[in-house]
Amino acid sequence: EVQLLESGGGLIQPGGSLRVSCAASGFTFSSYDMSWVRQTPGKGLEWVSSISANGAGTQYADSVKGRFTTSRDNSKNTVYLQMSSLKAEDTAVYYCARSVNWNQDYWGQGTLVTVSS
Amino acid sequence: EIVLTQSPATLSLSPGERATLSCRASQSVRNYLAWYQQKPGQAPRLLIYDTSNRATGIPARFSGSGSGTDFTLTISSLEPEDFAVYYCQQRSSWPLTFGGGTKVEIK
Repeated sequence: EVQLLESGGGLIQPGGSLRVSCAASGFTFSSYDMSWVRQTPGKGLEWVSSISANGAGTQYADSVKGRFTTSRDNSKNTVYLQMSSLKAEDTAVYYCARSVNWNQDYWGQGTLVTVSS
Repeated sequence: EIVLTQSPATLSLSPGERATLSCRASQSVRNYLAWYQQKPGQAPRLLIYDTSNRATGIPARFSGSGSGTDFTLTISSLEPEDFAVYYCQQRSSWPLTFGGGTKVEIK
């Protein structure tokens, strides 16, 4: 059974940094691209970032480019989203998702990141 | 950036009725359009990919059609568990983008 478990969310002050993680199980992690998608409470979905299966390629939304970094450790079956220079508008539930041809076929339960003083 | 516009914002229907949801792209996405379902408090679930292909385990009452800039998700006969929010997403070009969603609510 495919499982994705995000962790690391919480309350962080504006300008701060936070790393969220997504631990995968139930599939051959190193064979799959992965993505991060966020959702502001009560609002729609926003793609944040994607990373290729071997970690060599990454893509970012303009809203986070230069502030967020996606990486992965295939030995640990984990993908990371390092967030810095956080703003109030980054407050959201962050989902990791397994990507197949950049369609998100499995999603984690999400982790809430709140940016507030 | 390709903008996806979903309509209507809200669709009020009764169980057993047919639901037709629209997703329009600001430029051609070829057939690289997916649909997701999201229920309150849950993560989205992939329903349809590449316009018309049902994802694993998705019932046959869900179908997708369209090409280029105009796409449709059809639910042939609404079951109680189908009342949810539906999003479209394109993978034709970076950045990946989602539509604003259509809420299917019980009339």
